[in-house]
Amino acid sequence: GENVEQHPSTLSVQEGDSAVIKCTYSDSASNYFPWYKQELGKGPQLIIDIRSNVGEKKDQRIAVTLNKTAKHFSLHITETQPEDSAVYFCAASIRSGGYQKVTFGTGTKLQVIP
Amino acid sequence: KAGVTQTPRYLIKTRGQQVTLSCSPISGHRSVSWYQQTPGQGLQFLFEYFSETQRNKGNFPGRFSGRQFSNSRSEMNVSTLELGDSALYLCASSYDGGNTEAFFGQGTRLTVV
Repeated sequence: GENVEQHPSTLSVQEGDSAVIKCTYSDSASNYFPWYKQELGKGPQLIIDIRSNVGEKKDQRIAVTLNKTAKHFSLHITETQPEDSAVYFCAASIRSGGYQKVTFGTGTKLQVIP
Repeated sequence: KAGVTQTPRYLIKTRGQQVTLSCSPISGHRSVSWYQQTPGQGLQFLFEYFSETQRNKGNFPGRFSGRQFSNSRSEMNVSTLELGDSALYLCASSYDGGNTEAFFGQGTRLTVV
């Protein structure tokens, strides 16, 4: 089955700096890559996603890049703010048996230091 | 529209007991997935239900089971609880499964003593 690796597991940055989280996936047939943010005491919430026919997507301070050849995708957060502190999960989705299966990475705890 | 509702929010059970958790998805969503979240283990997939049928299952023992009703509400059951079952259990609803945005509930925090 699909395997998703996520790095780093923890990340500390100064407010205003950029943060980058990287994920790799194993199955080249994966075609949907969402990113989720989980704040303390809450469930994960989708922040951005990308499909396999697109190489990059941006939404204000957040961007995701996808390299299908290398089978990795990355989350980029620019001008980080304290409210960006949370756990971030990447995921890869693949069509199998007539429906999509989602596999999550192990998460990255981001701390933005004021 | 109302979000995903999980009940109860917190549970304390004794080893050997069983527990049932409930998840009400967003109206119109047919897919409900369950995840176990423990520190350092990320989101471990339990199973997915779609239109009352289990169509995907993770690598958990048979003590973990679930079902989905005709209104898409879902329950998961854990029998013969073990200390290691202590975790946050999250459910996620989506319109059609893994190719569309999943909306998570706040989870049920289960503590087994």
